[in-house]
Amino acid sequence: GQQLNQSPQSMFIQEGEDVSMNCTSSSIFNTWLWYKQEPGEGPVLLIALYKAGELTSNGRLTAQFGITRKDSFLNISASIPSDVGIYFCAGQLRTSGSRLTFGEGTQLTVNP
Amino acid sequence: DGGITQSPKYLFRKEGQNVTLSCEQNLNHDAMYWYRQDPGQGLRLIYYSQIVNDFQKGDIAEGYSVSREKKESFPLTVTSAQKNPTAFYLCASSIVRGTARRHTEAFFGQGTRLTVV
Repeated sequence: GQQLNQSPQSMFIQEGEDVSMNCTSSSIFNTWLWYKQEPGEGPVLLIALYKAGELTSNGRLTAQFGITRKDSFLNISASIPSDVGIYFCAGQLRTSGSRLTFGEGTQLTVNP
Repeated sequence: DGGITQSPKYLFRKEGQNVTLSCEQNLNHDAMYWYRQDPGQGLRLIYYSQIVNDFQKGDIAEGYSVSREKKESFPLTVTSAQKNPTAFYLCASSIVRGTARRHTEAFFGQGTRLTVV
């Protein structure tokens, strides 16, 4: 299937720092989604992006739909210990119907 | 409360036995999905269904089967043909949004951890 390259794979940061992660692809996407997964739980939808260039915030989280439609970024400002988890991007191709492609995830660790 | 319910949370089975994982949603979503997640890895699509009585194979369908007889339910059977069935299984359903109804947002259940011994 299609691939999304998500980076970095893992991040170890101090509480209060800002975090940035991204997903890139060689394909053009119609929709970008960002999820957070905590251990033993299902992913929770954080932000949904529909249009190229769109910038959307959810509290301390901000995500952008890349202008080329081939990438997306998630930023977390002023991190706190409860931000710990795995963050996944997911994209919907224009031609894939309801099917989503997921990145490999970014494991975030926040040290108090 | 509306949501997606997976049951059970933990499941143990002997090697060679088929096992069925339940997924129910009361969100009135048309599409439903099954993903497999192995430790430290991303989500891999097993099967998905965009409407009742129809489903498509994902990237790793071998050794699995599904049915979609009702909009609310999308059970997954892990058969004895699946060589390495121990994993975390996630069910999701999705809604289509946007003026042209072409943007999918998927919502997940809490997962079932299957251990085959």
